[in-house]
Amino acid sequence: DIQMTQSPSSLSASVGDRVTITCRASQSISNYLNWYQQKPGKAPKLLIYVASSLQSGVPSRFSGSGSGTDFTLTISSLQPEDFATYHCQQSHSTPWTFGQGTKVEIK
Amino acid sequence: EVQLVESGGGLVQPGGSLRLSCAASGFTFSSYDMHWVRHATGKGLEWVSAIGTAGDTYYPGSVKGRFTISRENAKNSLYLQMNSLRAEDTAVYYCARAGGTIPFDLWGRGTLVTVSS
Repeated sequence: DIQMTQSPSSLSASVGDRVTITCRASQSISNYLNWYQQKPGKAPKLLIYVASSLQSGVPSRFSGSGSGTDFTLTISSLQPEDFATYHCQQSHSTPWTFGQGTKVEIK
Repeated sequence: EVQLVESGGGLVQPGGSLRLSCAASGFTFSSYDMHWVRHATGKGLEWVSAIGTAGDTYYPGSVKGRFTISRENAKNSLYLQMNSLRAEDTAVYYCARAGGTIPFDLWGRGTLVTVSS
């Protein structure tokens, strides 16, 4: 199975900050990397797919990059509604696997 | 409205069985691959099963042989039959839609499964 490792596991940031979350795959997954946002008690929401494609309706302050084993999710200017947990997920091969999540908290 | 609505969760004893359902509306259900994903408290998301448009099924090792995914396109419904349940199967179970290169772009609100004596 492909292991997905996110870092950091949590971070504190202020509104307006630039935030970067990384995700590393245990083997190459080309660009089959997706990012989700999840708020407490809610279902995950797709933000980015195939590493850098922005899902329809997602604000442009979210962006993704990377290929192979190393990927990044960037929020260019953190907004109050962005405080949540972010998950990466590989769709290169089954079993599809997720990272352990990164919780973004208010500083 | 485009949505997925899960049902069937509840409290079950270890070794017991449960059948989850997911009702789809607002889109052509038969055209999409469908998945179940679970989230246990304090843990990461875990993919549980998938079924393609042709009825092909996929499972991770943690549930293979115990869980069975199925679909009924005429009823726009997805199912997950869970047998031999264990405490570690306790989680919120979500159904999710996927298609082509776009992964889980639509999720239900989830249904809680608790395995405990």
